[in-house]
Amino acid sequence: GAVVSQHPSWVICKSGTSVKIECRSLDFQATTMFWYRQFPKQSLMLMATSNEGSKATYEQGVEKDKFLINHASLTLSTLTVTSAHPEDSSFYICSARGHSTEGGETQYFGPGTRLLVL
Amino acid sequence: TQLLEQSPQFLSIQEGENLTVYCNSSSVFSSLQWYRQEPGEGPVLLVTVVTGGEVKKLKRLTFQFGDARKDSSLHITAAQPGDTGLYLCAGGGGGKLIFGQGTELSVKP
Repeated sequence: GAVVSQHPSWVICKSGTSVKIECRSLDFQATTMFWYRQFPKQSLMLMATSNEGSKATYEQGVEKDKFLINHASLTLSTLTVTSAHPEDSSFYICSARGHSTEGGETQYFGPGTRLLVL
Repeated sequence: TQLLEQSPQFLSIQEGENLTVYCNSSSVFSSLQWYRQEPGEGPVLLVTVVTGGEVKKLKRLTFQFGDARKDSSLHITAAQPGDTGLYLCAGGGGGKLIFGQGTELSVKP
C-alpha cells in the first residue's frame, strides 16, 4: 500500500516552454501533498504544500506564479513549471501525506521527475 | 525554526564494517522518519519512530529515537554494497517534514 506515482519520470524541454508534472496517490486518498526540489547529492527542499480544494502554500523564496500547483482531487496534484529556464533543471519529487503502520503521520514519496531545460 | 542536523554527510566504508548516522535537533519532534534514496529515485521510507527511547530493528539496520525525542540514530551492521545510497532523516513538524542534510553512504566491496 501507500504507492505514489509521478509522471513523467523525465522530461527535456526548450527554454520558455511550460512543463506539467503529475503526482498521484494510487491506493489512498491524500488531502495533502507536497512538492520538493532536489539538487544532486543534496537533501530535499520543500517548495510547497498542496491542499485538495484550496490554494497551495508556498515556502519562502518559491515563486508561486512560476510553479503553479493544482490539487483538484484527493488523488492528484500537478506542478506546472511555467516559462522554464535552464536554472529550473532539477529533480522534482512529490509526496502524499498518509498514516504510518507504526503510528503517526508520514509522507510517501513518488519516484521523482527529472527536468532538463535546454 | 526547527532544524535537523545530520552527520556525517559523507561516509565511505568497506563491506562488512559497521556505521552509525546521527540526526540531532534542539527541537522536539512528534515523530521521526528515516528514508533511503537511490540515484534518480524518490526516497523510500525505512522506519517511523514515535516513542521517546524506542529502538526498532530492520534486519541489519537499528534505529533509535532519543528519550527526549530530539535526536535519532541509524546503525548499520556489516554493511553491504547494496546499502549504498542517500540516507535521510526527517522530523514531523506542523504538518510538514523537516529534512536533515542527508548522509551519502558508499559501501565498497
